[in-house]
Parts: sequence; structure tokens; C-alpha cells
Amino acid sequence: DQQVKQNSPSLSVQEGRISILNCDYTNSMFDYFLWYKKYPAEGPTFLISISSIKDKNEDGRFTVFLNKSAKHLSLHIVPSQPGDSAVYFCAARDGYAGGTSYGKLTFGQGTILTVHP
Amino acid sequence: DTGVSQNPRHKITKRGQNVTFRCDPISEHNRLYWYRQTLGQGPEFLTYFQNEAQLEKSRLLSDRFSAERPKGSFSTLEIQRTEQGDSAMYLCASSLGGAGGEQYFGPGTRLTVT
Repeated sequence: DQQVKQNSPSLSVQEGRISILNCDYTNSMFDYFLWYKKYPAEGPTFLISISSIKDKNEDGRFTVFLNKSAKHLSLHIVPSQPGDSAVYFCAARDGYAGGTSYGKLTFGQGTILTVHP
Repeated sequence: DTGVSQNPRHKITKRGQNVTFRCDPISEHNRLYWYRQTLGQGPEFLTYFQNEAQLEKSRLLSDRFSAERPKGSFSTLEIQRTEQGDSAMYLCASSLGGAGGEQYFGPGTRLTVT
């Protein structure tokens, strides 16, 4: 069972426009949601996160929105730049279980973002 | 800040051989995770250490896999009697835990079993 899904394998955007990457989840026990960016032959790089008790978090050009009732989150990149071209992974962190959070992440399949000059 | 390092970066081995990978986390991070990533998929959790204690293992971690973190510093992941299905990128991540608990990943070790 795929608890975190990114249904768009790829997204192509013009430089300067907005990129919107989407993610759906099924497990309501997740307590944090994170976005990672990955270049080929490198490990994922942390971008931004949001607590399950918030609905928006902003960091520079990156904003993450969380809709708990729909179990949906999205990452907005404004304005998009060619250097943003990479694979973007949505991840969800296990919440507390019996008072202890081990914090393992469950990842989506990734979305390849291409930003054209 | 040297980040998370992993060695080797690439490993090619023949089916049936044993391999061992090493991960050096960010020095003040007490939490260490191993993940595996195959082509077209996101990373999948394998196991978790808090200091030297291995507290969680995925069912993906068959009995051919073993991980250690002696003294709560670096960690090793060993795969015995490798199979072609073990070919993947093995990623290590570390974190401080707590609120947010962002995990910082190393560059990974690419394993190819021939």
C-alpha cells in the first residue's frame, strides 16, 4: 500500500512562472511533511517542511500548503528557475507511537521538474 | 559542517558475494537511518538507530541484511549472499530528532549485483 503518492511523474514549466508539485497521503498519523530535491548521483536535499497542525509554511521562493481534510499537500516554487530542475520527493514522517517518534520517512515516487529558460 | 558521507560511492559485485557499506553521519546527530532507492521510486526505509541502539527495522530488511552503529557514531550496512534484486542506491540519513526532525542525506552508495 502506497501511503504517500505523487501522481504526476513529470512537470514542465517556463522560467519565471510558478511550479506546483502535488502529493497525497493516506495515513492520518503522519506528523510532519517534508519536500526534498534530488539531482542525479546525489542524495536528496531537504527543502522545506510543515507540521501537521499548520496549513502553510513559506521559505523564500518555496511555499508548502497542507490540506488535512483532503490529505493533500503541495509545493509552490515562485518564480521557477532553471536550477530548480530536479526530481522532487514528498515525504511524510511517522508521528508519535507510544510516546516515541522514531521519525522514519515515507516517500512518494517523485516528480521530475523541468524549468525551461 | 562536513555533512553525511558514505563509502564507497559505487560497488559492483557478483551474486553471492558479501558487501559492506559505511555511513558517517553529521557529528552531533544521534539518529541515523538507512534507506534503499530503486529506479523510478522514492527512498524506502530500511532501519533506524538512536545512538548505538537499532530501534526499528523494516520488513524489507531480510536476514541477509545486518546493520550496526558501534559507539553511536558511524554505521555499517552489510548484505550477505547478494542477489540481483539487491541492486539499488543505499542512502544514509541523520537527524537530531524532535520537532521537524529533518533528515540530512548522504550521497548514497550505488550497488550493482551482476
